[in-house]
Amino acid sequence: NAGVMQNPRHLVRRRGQEARLRCSPMKGHSHVYWYRQLPEEGLKFMVYLQKENIIDESGMPKERFSAEFPKEGPSILRIQQVVRGDSAAYFCASSPAANEQFFGPGTRLTVL
Amino acid sequence: AQSVTQLGSHVSVSEGALVLLRCNYSSSVPPYLFWYVQYPNQGLQLLLKYTSAATLVKGINGFEAEFKKSETSFHLTKPSAHMSDAAEYFCAVSEAPGGTSYGKLTFGQGTILTVHP
Repeated sequence: NAGVMQNPRHLVRRRGQEARLRCSPMKGHSHVYWYRQLPEEGLKFMVYLQKENIIDESGMPKERFSAEFPKEGPSILRIQQVVRGDSAAYFCASSPAANEQFFGPGTRLTVL
Repeated sequence: AQSVTQLGSHVSVSEGALVLLRCNYSSSVPPYLFWYVQYPNQGLQLLLKYTSAATLVKGINGFEAEFKKSETSFHLTKPSAHMSDAAEYFCAVSEAPGGTSYGKLTFGQGTILTVHP
């Protein structure tokens, strides 16, 4: 059983571009969470999704950030018009029923 | 609201010595508590979890943690450190089932463990 997969592992964008981060949960997991780890900070919750639904987006910045988890395919975290402050490691986690979360290896976003 | 405080951003021990990483939490509802380990440039791996059963929880790699409600603590220990334990450790809290934020993890700032030969 493959673990949580995230791609790309490293992403470089220039200011103003869009970043798309993908997360494929473990087989059988219908709950997906996104967390952000800024330099010198711990992990901060961003959003919690189930298939086709956003359950809790209390940690998402109000502008430029969006997330989806379609019926088919991976979950996508989208950052529009990136700024240098968006540079961070973005982690996805999945769980079968909103309990123990299994983390992916992360996507490290660098904004030039 | 929930929060986690990890005392000591850096802990250094000698190989073979006791490892003690401190975690205190704040929660207005019964919590679930977790310890995760992160190796450089990798994701988080679950070490152990407390989910309202036994207060002394044993995890992988010889780690254990004790839930002390009176002290609102969930400290992580290992009797004898190994070089391979060098990593960053995160304590996290979530609400128990039924809570409005059930499933969402709130993390502490992390503690970097260094193990000297």
